[in-house]
Amino acid sequence: DIQMTQSPASLSASLGETVTIECRASEDIYNGLAWYQQKPGKSPQLLIYNANSLHTGVPSRFSGSGSGTQYSLKINSLQSEDVASYFCQQYYNYPPWTFGGGTKLELK
Amino acid sequence: EVQLVETGGGLVQPGKSLKLTCATSGFTFSNAWMHWVRQSPEKQLEWVAQIKAKSNNYATYYAESVKGRFTISRDDSKSSVYLQMNSLKEEDTAIYYCTLNFAYWGQGTLVTVSS
Repeated sequence: DIQMTQSPASLSASLGETVTIECRASEDIYNGLAWYQQKPGKSPQLLIYNANSLHTGVPSRFSGSGSGTQYSLKINSLQSEDVASYFCQQYYNYPPWTFGGGTKLELK
Repeated sequence: EVQLVETGGGLVQPGKSLKLTCATSGFTFSNAWMHWVRQSPEKQLEWVAQIKAKSNNYATYYAESVKGRFTISRDDSKSSVYLQMNSLKEEDTAIYYCTLNFAYWGQGTLVTVSS
């Protein structure tokens, strides 16, 4: 199984700041990576797929990049509604589909 | 609008069974590949099971942690997918979500396994 390691586990940032979350796969996943946002008490919502494609309706301040085993999610100009947990997921080699441990983003 | 609504969660003793239902609407269910994903109290997401469409012979796949205990099934006439959970363990305690290709998720249903 492919293991996904996310960092940091938690993050505190100010409004308007740029935030970056990292995700590392245990082997090359050839951009088969998605990012999800989960607000407290809600279900995960797809943000990005294929490592860098924005899902319908997702604000353009979110972007994804990376290749091979290293990927990142960037949030430009942090807004209050971005307070959430973020998860990466690989779907290159499945089953199983595997998720990172999550990053909890809070406002400073 | 795609909608997924899970029901059937609750408190159950270890070793007992529970069946979850995910009722769907807003898309062509008969062609859809559906998944169950769970989220532990520690917030870790874990894929649980997948069922493919009739055209794929309703093929099913399971996480090793639930293989032999859980069964995913579907009823295309009701646009619903199910998760039969047997021999439940305390570590199965989680919120269970059904999802359409991970692009659309239900609100989840809480399963608590405890004596």
